[in-house]
Amino acid sequence: GQQVMQIPQYQHVQEGEDFTTYCNSSTTLSNIQWYKQRPGGHPVFLIQLVKSGEVKKQKRLTFQFGEAKKNSSLHITATQTTDVGTYFCAGNTGTASKLTFGTGTRLQVTL
Amino acid sequence: EAGVVQSPRYKIIEKKQPVAFWCNPISGHNTLYWYLQNLGQGPELLIRYENEEAVDDSQLPKDRFSAERLKGVDSTLKIQPAELGDSAVYLCASSRTQGEAFFGQGTRLTVV
Repeated sequence: GQQVMQIPQYQHVQEGEDFTTYCNSSTTLSNIQWYKQRPGGHPVFLIQLVKSGEVKKQKRLTFQFGEAKKNSSLHITATQTTDVGTYFCAGNTGTASKLTFGTGTRLQVTL
Repeated sequence: EAGVVQSPRYKIIEKKQPVAFWCNPISGHNTLYWYLQNLGQGPELLIRYENEEAVDDSQLPKDRFSAERLKGVDSTLKIQPAELGDSAVYLCASSRTQGEAFFGQGTRLTVV
């Protein structure tokens, strides 16, 4: 079946440093979504990318969808302690809503 | 607009006992998901409904797990009998077709 892997599994940065997580799917995706899960919370939607090569920005967050629609990345510029949590990518295939989540990257930010 | 509502939030049961979880999705969302999430891992899909039809239940352990979505709205997930390895957080989510998924708070199940 479809597999979605993320690297790194965990990253610890000091506040102000940049952070990037990479997402790779074993199959071509129709779209990709990104979610953030705070400790003890549930996943919260951040953004959806649909087009090949698409880049979207949300303040300090930059999301990119690969040309082959099999990979994606999330980059955070100048991290803050509020960025702490686990970031998941999740992909849809075909026309169905079969949302498959990646393995996640846990981000820890210290002062 | 109310979000996805799940109950109970926490459940502790002895192994071999039955347990049921309930989910009320966002009104108008045709897709309903049940995910299982173990500590430190990503959500794993158990079953997906499109309206009242279960269209993807390939990951549901059908010998002990069952689910239903009444009238294409509320859904219940049942485990009978529960095993120690079933301890996890059970997340319900809903969405429009290929839209963003809205998650409930989850039910944390502990089997002792």
